[in-house]
Amino acid sequence: AQSVTQLDSQVPVFEEAPVELRCNYSSSVSVYLFWYVQYPNQGLQLLLKYLSGSTLVKGINGFEAEFNKSQTSFHLRKPSVHISDTAEYFCAVSKGGSYIPTFGRGTSLIVHP
Amino acid sequence: GAVVSQHPSRVICKSGTSVKIECRSLDFQATTMFWYRQFPKQSLMLMATSNEGSKATYEQGVEKDKFLINHASLTLSTLTVTSAHPEDSSFYICSARSGGEFDSYNEQFFGPGTRLTVL
Repeated sequence: AQSVTQLDSQVPVFEEAPVELRCNYSSSVSVYLFWYVQYPNQGLQLLLKYLSGSTLVKGINGFEAEFNKSQTSFHLRKPSVHISDTAEYFCAVSKGGSYIPTFGRGTSLIVHP
Repeated sequence: GAVVSQHPSRVICKSGTSVKIECRSLDFQATTMFWYRQFPKQSLMLMATSNEGSKATYEQGVEKDKFLINHASLTLSTLTVTSAHPEDSSFYICSARSGGEFDSYNEQFFGPGTRLTVL
């Protein structure tokens, strides 16, 4: 079975600074990878996904992530964050052939003015 | 993106009573719906997957007689927590997608969640 580790439970950062949210996965088969964002009192929203092809994936709101198979990582990055990016971010993995994700514990991104 | 709603957003009930949570896809037909449970500061745990018109598939460790799932139409799924106890208190999230589990990728859309508190 696949699993996801989000190494940081909380990441504080100042506005306009760059940020990286880390995600590592374990799986014995090919995988699909996802990042979701959850704003307070709202459902999860898909930020970006890797299914195949280019390992650098660009998503909404200026976020991008890079699939690194050798390091089994899928870190999320943004070059300059805004206050509005404050939210909970979930990394997820699903095994190839199925798109039902297994979620990590989430990373709380806190952007300070 | 597509919209998934949940009702109610919050519910408080007494121990021993049953609670029904509705999940609706508002602008698309949801062939497959999913129910998750989320504990504070923890990940979403998949409870069950349901396809319209058929019985739900429950994940290991989830009591099917306690968490009754009905996916009666392409836009509505319900989760009923029967004989609720305080340990059932949690945040329940549904999601929906238009394709089957092994179809080509169709995005999963999530509802805003229902906070259940059992006294």
